[in-house]
Amino acid sequence: GAGVSQSPRYKVAKRGQDVALRCDPISGHVSLFWYQQALGQGPEFLTYFQNEAQLDKSGLPSDRFFAERPEGSVSTLKIQRTQQEDSAVYLCASSLGGTGDFPYEQYFGPGTRLTVT
Amino acid sequence: QKEVEQNSGPLSVPEGAIASLNCTYSDRGSQSFFWYRQYSGKSPELIMSIYSNGDKEDGRFTAQLNKASQYVSLLIRDSQPSDSATYLCAVNILNTGNQFYFGTGTSLTVIP
Repeated sequence: GAGVSQSPRYKVAKRGQDVALRCDPISGHVSLFWYQQALGQGPEFLTYFQNEAQLDKSGLPSDRFFAERPEGSVSTLKIQRTQQEDSAVYLCASSLGGTGDFPYEQYFGPGTRLTVT
Repeated sequence: QKEVEQNSGPLSVPEGAIASLNCTYSDRGSQSFFWYRQYSGKSPELIMSIYSNGDKEDGRFTAQLNKASQYVSLLIRDSQPSDSATYLCAVNILNTGNQFYFGTGTSLTVIP
């Protein structure tokens, strides 16, 4: 079946603009994760959804970052008033199991490269 | 101290050789371990998962886990130029949710 998809693939924003990044997980996957990857670094956890419930948002760097998954499928990561330090690749991953299940493999989408100028 | 440590490399091996990639982790609650491959400009691609001590083989790849030493490794046999990429080690830690903690990755170059 289809993998995880993300859009847009590239986004250039002027400092202070709001952006919205979309993730469409693998069909039937309960868990959805957002990670941020800076150049030369490994992905860093931002937030986690099980179905429509946001169970962990401990990695969101500031209150300018907001994520939702209202119907338990597609998710949107929104960044308000973007800053230069927000420039990174934003990766979405999905996983078959949920909390309480043995950790399942996570499958990543292609990512959105955000550049804030 | 980061939860997951990897030698950033670069690691260079000749074509046909065995490439050995290493990863150590700090939290003894780590319960699940994953290796991802990431080509330049692309997203991480899952290679293998390992949950129990010992070796797990899948084609040319072997993952090795030693929980007592808090060490997980990936061996790539008969390395090919197409294996040139950054290899990321990821762990899941019991009772911290389902998130993965990633190392910074090891850059591997296979020389034809």
